[in-house]
Amino acid sequence: QVQLVESGGGVVQPEKSLTLSCAASGFTFSSYGMHWVRQAPGKGLEWLAVIWSDGSKKYYADSVKGRFTISRDNSQNMLYLQLNSLRAEDTAVYYCRTTTALFDYWGQGTPVTVSS
Amino acid sequence: DVVMTQSPLSLPVTLGQPASISCRSSQSLVHSDGHTYLNWFHQRPGQSPRRLIYKVSNRDFGVPDRFSGSGSGTDFTLKISRVEAEDVGVYYCMQGTHWPLSFGGGTKVEIK
Repeated sequence: QVQLVESGGGVVQPEKSLTLSCAASGFTFSSYGMHWVRQAPGKGLEWLAVIWSDGSKKYYADSVKGRFTISRDNSQNMLYLQLNSLRAEDTAVYYCRTTTALFDYWGQGTPVTVSS
Repeated sequence: DVVMTQSPLSLPVTLGQPASISCRSSQSLVHSDGHTYLNWFHQRPGQSPRRLIYKVSNRDFGVPDRFSGSGSGTDFTLKISRVEAEDVGVYYCMQGTHWPLSFGGGTKVEIK
């Protein structure tokens, strides 16, 4: 069965960096685009970034463009999100997601808290 | 960027009664390929979101047929024909037509 398992979250100081990982299994990872979505405490969902199946294209939300970088390693079935220059408003649960017309899968999320 | 606006913010419903959630986009969601990429998600407390509907009106596998989606252009609706206890939580619409993608603010469904 499809599994997406995020890791790498934690408490980090403002202006510091963090890299989140998403381990994928149960499907042909290299064939599908991958997304990151976050949810601040008590708030709604915010789409962050997408990367094409072969890594050739990436799109970002305006709120994270220039600070966050999405990447993938198809040989390891891994998705990454590098978070730089972190701010208090980046505090959220970060989800990875893969979707097509036929299916839509989310991980359980990894929490990131930006605090001094 | 496309702004997705949901209403109402909160929806108290009686078990067995219908419920309806509206979602409006700031621009047409008709893609150049002719499809309209409007999805609906349900999120229970402490859980990851689950997609219910894709491309306006297509139910995902395993989604009960009491859920239906409709609409076109900029106006969309999610309907629950008879609300059950397991339907509580927050519902989100999301557009997948224009970059960057965007979610509505959510509608919290609770039982009266």
